[in-house]
Amino acid sequence: KNEVEQSPQNLTAQEGEFITINCSYSVGISALHWLQQHPGGGIVSLFMLSSGKKKHGRLIATINIQEKHSSLHITASHPRDSAVYICAVGAKGSQGNLIFGKGTKLSVKP
Amino acid sequence: EAQVTQNPRYLITVTGKKLTVTCSQNMNHEYMSWYRQDPGLGLRQIYYSMNVEVTDKGDVPEGYKVSRKEKRNFPLILESPSPNQTSLYFCASSLPGQNQPQHFGDGTRLSIL
Repeated sequence: KNEVEQSPQNLTAQEGEFITINCSYSVGISALHWLQQHPGGGIVSLFMLSSGKKKHGRLIATINIQEKHSSLHITASHPRDSAVYICAVGAKGSQGNLIFGKGTKLSVKP
Repeated sequence: EAQVTQNPRYLITVTGKKLTVTCSQNMNHEYMSWYRQDPGLGLRQIYYSMNVEVTDKGDVPEGYKVSRKEKRNFPLILESPSPNQTSLYFCASSLPGQNQPQHFGDGTRLSIL
C-alpha cells in the first residue's frame, strides 16, 4: 500500500465547476505539500500545510491531521487549471525527503 | 530571479556512456534533492543533500551518484547509464526543514538507448 494515496486519479470538469482532490496518508507528518505540474512538465509548489486551511486565489487547501487527510479545492475552475496535482508529505523524523502521491490529472473543458 | 536551473533539458544517449545532469540554485538554499518521475509511479527521490558535503540516499539511489561541493550546485551523475534510467528528472531546493516549499527545476528528459 502506498503511503500517500490520491483520489481521483483522473478528473474531467466543465469550466466553472467546483473541484476537490483528495490526499490520504498513513505516516505521521510534519508537513504536507500540494504541487502543480503543467503539461510542459514544470512543477510549482502551491501550498505547504501543517494544520488548518490555506487559501490562494481560487485554490483552497485543508488538512485534518487526526484523520490523516488533506483536500485541494478549486473554485470556479478554468481550462488553465488543467494540470496534474501532486500531494507530498514530509514524514516526521525524516531529514529531508518527501513521499509523493501519484498525482491527479485534472482536465477542465471550456 | 530566484530559480533552479537544470542542464541539459533533453538528452538521448547510449548505454554505458557516463553523463552528468547539472543543477544550480541561486537562492542560497541548504537543501537540494533529485527526483525521477515515471508514468504510473509518480515522483521518487534519488538523493538529497542537507548542506555542503552532506548527502544521503533517497528511495531509488541505485545507479546514481551525487556530490555537493558548493552550496549552489548539486550534480547528478550516471556512471554507466542503462535503459531503465530513461526518465524525467527533477532537481529541487529549499530552506532546511520539512515545512519549507520546494523550488523545482524545469526537468531533464533522459533517454538511454
